[in-house]
Amino acid sequence: AQSVTQLGSHVSVSEGALVLLRCNYSSSVPPYLFWYVQYPNQGLQLLLKYTTGATLVKGINGFEAEFKKSETSFHLTKPSAHMSDAAEYFCAVSDRTGFQKLVFGTGTRLLVSP
Amino acid sequence: AAGVIQSPRHLIKEKRETATLKCYPIPRHDTVYWYQQGPGQDPQFLISFYEKMQSDKGSIPDRFSAQQFSDYHSELNMSSLELGDSALYFCASSEGHTKGYGYTFGSGTRLTVV
Repeated sequence: AQSVTQLGSHVSVSEGALVLLRCNYSSSVPPYLFWYVQYPNQGLQLLLKYTTGATLVKGINGFEAEFKKSETSFHLTKPSAHMSDAAEYFCAVSDRTGFQKLVFGTGTRLLVSP
Repeated sequence: AAGVIQSPRHLIKEKRETATLKCYPIPRHDTVYWYQQGPGQDPQFLISFYEKMQSDKGSIPDRFSAQQFSDYHSELNMSSLELGDSALYFCASSEGHTKGYGYTFGSGTRLTVV
């Protein structure tokens, strides 16, 4: 069965600093990989996804993630944090076979200080 | 652009009552997914439908049932509500069950059971 591990339930950065949110997956076959962002009392918004091809994926709001098969990782980064980036971030995977049910990590809350 | 519409946005019910949540997918999307997100928790997959047939089933209690109608909207019926059913319920839709597209989430229905 697939699983996703997000290291760090909370990550704090200063405005302008690098953002790094970690995600590792466990799957016998590399799955499809996603990052979602959730603002308070709102739905889940897709930041970016990896399905095939280029392993460095660029998403919205200046975020990007790199799929590293050898490390079974899909870490999310942003060069310079903005106050508006403060939110909950979920890494998710879906199987490459069968229907694309998402399995989520436990989430990382990003705190951005001035 | 049209999004996934969920209704109602908020719902308060008493224990042992019944609740019905509705989801209207993006036009031409034929696949619907339901997720439950408890307070401070990651979203958990409940059930999905493709072309009006159940396509996958997750950790959905027997007290819950769901269906997808001819116009592709879906309803989640929850009976004998318990306090632990209080959560944010998300619906998502995708075009076909083709893997890797990711899908669009609605803003959710917040159910509070008192």
